[in-house]
Amino acid sequence: GAGVSQSPSNKVTEKGKDVELRCDPISGHTALYWYRQSLGQGLEFLIYFQGNSAPDKSGLPSDRFSAERTGGSVSTLTIQRTQQEDSAVYLCASSSPADTQYFGPGTRLTVL
Amino acid sequence: DAKTTQPNSMESNEEEPVHLPCNHSTISGTDYIHWYRQLPSQGPEYVIHGLTSNVNNRMASLAIAEDRKSSTLILHRATLRDAAVYYCILRVRIQGAQKLVFGQGTRLTINP
Repeated sequence: GAGVSQSPSNKVTEKGKDVELRCDPISGHTALYWYRQSLGQGLEFLIYFQGNSAPDKSGLPSDRFSAERTGGSVSTLTIQRTQQEDSAVYLCASSSPADTQYFGPGTRLTVL
Repeated sequence: DAKTTQPNSMESNEEEPVHLPCNHSTISGTDYIHWYRQLPSQGPEYVIHGLTSNVNNRMASLAIAEDRKSSTLILHRATLRDAAVYYCILRVRIQGAQKLVFGQGTRLTINP
């Protein structure tokens, strides 16, 4: 079946603008995760959603970052007033609870 | 979060076995050992996981020390497509979603 998809694949924006990144998880997966990977670095956890439970937002670096998951499926990660240090690859993953995580190809965000 | 230690980089030749070590001296009895790998310009992909016994699947084998303080991912016959960053991650045995804590991983280079 289809894997995790993310859009756009690349996003270039100007400092101070807002951006929205989209993730379509694997159908039936109730858990959805966002990570980011800065150039040459490992992955950094941002937030996860599981079913109807309150999301774990413990990894969000600032209040400029937010995410929502509508209808238990598609998720949007929003970054307000982008800064140059927000430039990174943003990766989404989904899983059945307690199961292995399947990652999407990521969105490369460049803030000029 | 439980920590793992891996060499920064390793190199091997095509069609030879590769042994990727991981130390996790602070592992607890409820931690599973997971391995993911990240090919260039892609999101991470699951490789294998285990708790106490050695595990085999179509991608690799996982050898776990008797005291569980270390493990080794074994690629039996490396190909050029196995060149990637390999991450050793501990996951607590719980029901439900759980973030992955990525370290720097081991960058594996395969020589033709």
